[in-house]
Formats: sequence, structure tokens, C-alpha cells
Amino acid sequence: DTAVSQTPKYLVTQMGNDKSIKCEQNLGHDTMYWYKQDSKKFLKIMFSYNNKELIINETVPNRFSPKSPDKAHLNLHINSLELGDSAVYFCASSHTGHGATKRQYFGPGTRLTVT
Amino acid sequence: DQQVKQNSPSLSVQEGRISILNCDYTNSMFDYFLWYKKYPAEGPTFLISISSIKDKNEDGRFTVFLNKSAKHLSLHIVPSQPGDSAVYFCAARVSSGSARQLTFGSGTQLTVLP
Repeated sequence: DTAVSQTPKYLVTQMGNDKSIKCEQNLGHDTMYWYKQDSKKFLKIMFSYNNKELIINETVPNRFSPKSPDKAHLNLHINSLELGDSAVYFCASSHTGHGATKRQYFGPGTRLTVT
Repeated sequence: DQQVKQNSPSLSVQEGRISILNCDYTNSMFDYFLWYKKYPAEGPTFLISISSIKDKNEDGRFTVFLNKSAKHLSLHIVPSQPGDSAVYFCAARVSSGSARQLTFGSGTQLTVLP
């Protein structure tokens, strides 16, 4: 039983297309995140979201948008894909209450290739 | 502007010896630090963490040391095992406020040789 799952695992698409990556967590966490691992292997935060607020990394283009149908899901929508969007995208989740563990649990990643 | 730096992209250690992975940070507001381990084609998994009020935290074979004055932390693995071969990411966060975002280093590939 996977704690944080992502679909698809691999995604190959052409420039200009619109695509989505789904993320689901069954840990009862109240905050979810999206990270991008670029070609230099840095893991960079894109978004963090709970039911109260969305925090957006200012470097993220507005072609990227998170959508949360419920607390267990945070999907990543990408419009007008560009070559530079090729990367591995990781979803994560955590508790955020006072005294809660600060660990984030990560999904297996989605490798996006834009041709 | 890399606020968390792992200057060694790779490290090779003989099985049974100690592995020492290093991490430096520049943001003095960071007050919580974590190490994650990542195998190929998998997401990072939490390994060990330390609060800025401590200078050492130990969990089995893994010990994290924090030197706040030097803005430096290190992960010691002893004894190292072949199964420890993975990429190790250092991460840091500021606990105050609503942000829960982690800032990661670029990772160090550890190879434990049998």
C-alpha cells in the first residue's frame, strides 16, 4: 500500500501540449507539495498547498498550476509545455500541525520528457 | 542562489568503514535539517533529522551532527553497507510561519564498495 503515489511514472509529449500529473496520498496529511528535479539533480520546491493556503515558488511559470480536488490529492497541470520543462517531478506530503513531525513523504516521481 | 550546498557530488567508501557526507547552508533562519536517501527511479525517503537546538542526533548506524556557528552539518554512517549506496540529499527549512517548504542540496552519490 503506497503512501504517496503519482501517475504516470513516465510521460513523453510534444511541445505546446497540455498535460497533468496526478498525486495521491493515503497518510491523512494536510499539506502536499510538488518538487522539480532538474538536470543538475537539484530538488526545487514548486508549490506547497493545504486547505488554507497555496504557496507558490516565485520562479515557477504560471503555465504550472496545482489543483486539489480534496485533501488527499494534489494534481499538477502544465500548459503549453516547453523543452525546459523536461525533468522529474516529485509529489510529497506532510502533517503541519503544531508538534507534528516535519518529515515529508515523497512519491516515486514522474519523468516528463518534452520533445 | 543555493542556500543548501553539498559540495561533493560523489563519495566512495569501503564496506564496514565510516561514510561522512557534508552539507553547508547559508540561511541563518534555517532551524530544522533533514537527510533524505534516494535510490534510482524512486522518491526520496526520510533518513534522519535534527533541530537547531541540538548538535547531534543518532539513529542506529546514522548520526547527524550540526555546527550552527559554521552553518555546517554532516551525516555519519557507520559501519557502511552496500545497501547504503544511494544519493543522499541534505534539506533545511524554517519552522516559523506557515511555510513548510524544504530547501534541498544537490545530493551526494554514495557508493559503498563490498
